[in-house]
Amino acid sequence: KAGVTQTPRYLIKTRGQQVTLSCSPISGHRSVSWYQQTPGQGLQFLFEYFSETQRNKGNFPGRFSGRQFSNSRSEMNVSTLELGDSALYLCASSLVSSGTTDTQYFGPGTRLTVL
Amino acid sequence: QKEVEQNSGPLSVPEGAIASLNCTYSDRGSQSFFWYRQYSGKSPELIMFIYSNGDKEDGRFTAQLNKASQYVSLLIRDSQPSDSATYLCAVKWNSGGYQKVTFGTGTKLQVIP
Repeated sequence: KAGVTQTPRYLIKTRGQQVTLSCSPISGHRSVSWYQQTPGQGLQFLFEYFSETQRNKGNFPGRFSGRQFSNSRSEMNVSTLELGDSALYLCASSLVSSGTTDTQYFGPGTRLTVL
Repeated sequence: QKEVEQNSGPLSVPEGAIASLNCTYSDRGSQSFFWYRQYSGKSPELIMFIYSNGDKEDGRFTAQLNKASQYVSLLIRDSQPSDSATYLCAVKWNSGGYQKVTFGTGTKLQVIP
């Protein structure tokens, strides 16, 4: 079974631009979560989608948004990029996320650099 | 805010020794606990999870959970240089009928040949 895929793997943008990242979960997984990882802050939860609905949201500004499609693929968008948005963006998929032992599996990540 | 604490390290152990990685969490209602390994520049990969008090073994890895002390640990026996990585503890807890996950900031392990 194929793992979680993320595109693009690397991205360089300038301040003020916007960016869209894509995530395809493991086949059969319906929950997709997004995380931002930086050296200083560790893994920070952005949001979770399940059945095309945002179910959980972290403490990020409204510039960060996402959506999920009927095939469970998900995209996240960051508008008006700031230097501090430079990070590794990770997508994780799980079957349903409501189970106690339901496990998240991570994609390879998208490395975003904002200049 | 639910908190998950890990010593950032680095934790240095000689090859062949037992590495002990620790994690404490703030929410007594936390239900399940996960350990991930993350190599530099890579994404986290699941090692194992535990949800009952006691020990759970998987090969060279043993997870230990003590809910009364709000403490979970990961032991790596016969540590190898290839085990050198950052180990992330993740805690799953119930909020409003949904499961949420909080990650610790990770412990960097260095296995010295």
